[in-house]
Amino acid sequence: AQKVTQAQTEISVVEKEDVTLDCVYETRDTTYYLFWYKQPPSGELVFLIRRNSFDEQNEISGRYSWNFQKSTSSFNFTITASQVVDSAVYFCALSDKNAGNMLTFGGGTRLMVKP
Amino acid sequence: DSGVTQTPKHLITATGQRVTLRCSPRSGDLSVYWYQQSLDQGLQFLIQYYNGEERAKGNILERFSAQQFPDLHSELNLSSLELGDSALYFCASSAWGRSFNNEQFFGPGTRLTVL
Repeated sequence: AQKVTQAQTEISVVEKEDVTLDCVYETRDTTYYLFWYKQPPSGELVFLIRRNSFDEQNEISGRYSWNFQKSTSSFNFTITASQVVDSAVYFCALSDKNAGNMLTFGGGTRLMVKP
Repeated sequence: DSGVTQTPKHLITATGQRVTLRCSPRSGDLSVYWYQQSLDQGLQFLIQYYNGEERAKGNILERFSAQQFPDLHSELNLSSLELGDSALYFCASSAWGRSFNNEQFFGPGTRLTVL
């Protein structure tokens, strides 16, 4: 069965600090996809990134970067020079062949960026 | 704005009642997914429809049912409501039904409060 663990339930940083959100996953499939979603205080879920299991290249998008390491089953998310607008709950999710199209979400990490 | 719409935004009702949540997918998307976000269970997949047919089922209670209509909008029906059904219900859509790699775009959610 698939499982996603986000061990950090809450992180608090001061603006301009870098912060890394951890995500560890479990799956028996060799083909799978990993996702990150952001849930701001307004409540909607915003898609951030999708990564497939065959592509271990790190990805950078502006202040956001993602580190995918199959050897440790981790897909960590780093925000560089954090801003108050980054305050949100961040979810890591997994989909694999066995599970079909459903997303299995981690418990989420609440990030608070203080001015 | 993801392009997925959900109505109503908020719903307050009493135990034992029945409610219907409505979702319109992004233009062109054939798949609709329903998820429940509660404090104790986190984000959980309930059910998926693809082009009018049920495709996958998750942890959906027997008191809950869903359908997708010919115009591709979907409704989630919750009956014999209990206090524990209070949650944020998300609808998501994606272009395809078979592939497990496509990103799902989420609507703003319907917040259900059962008193």
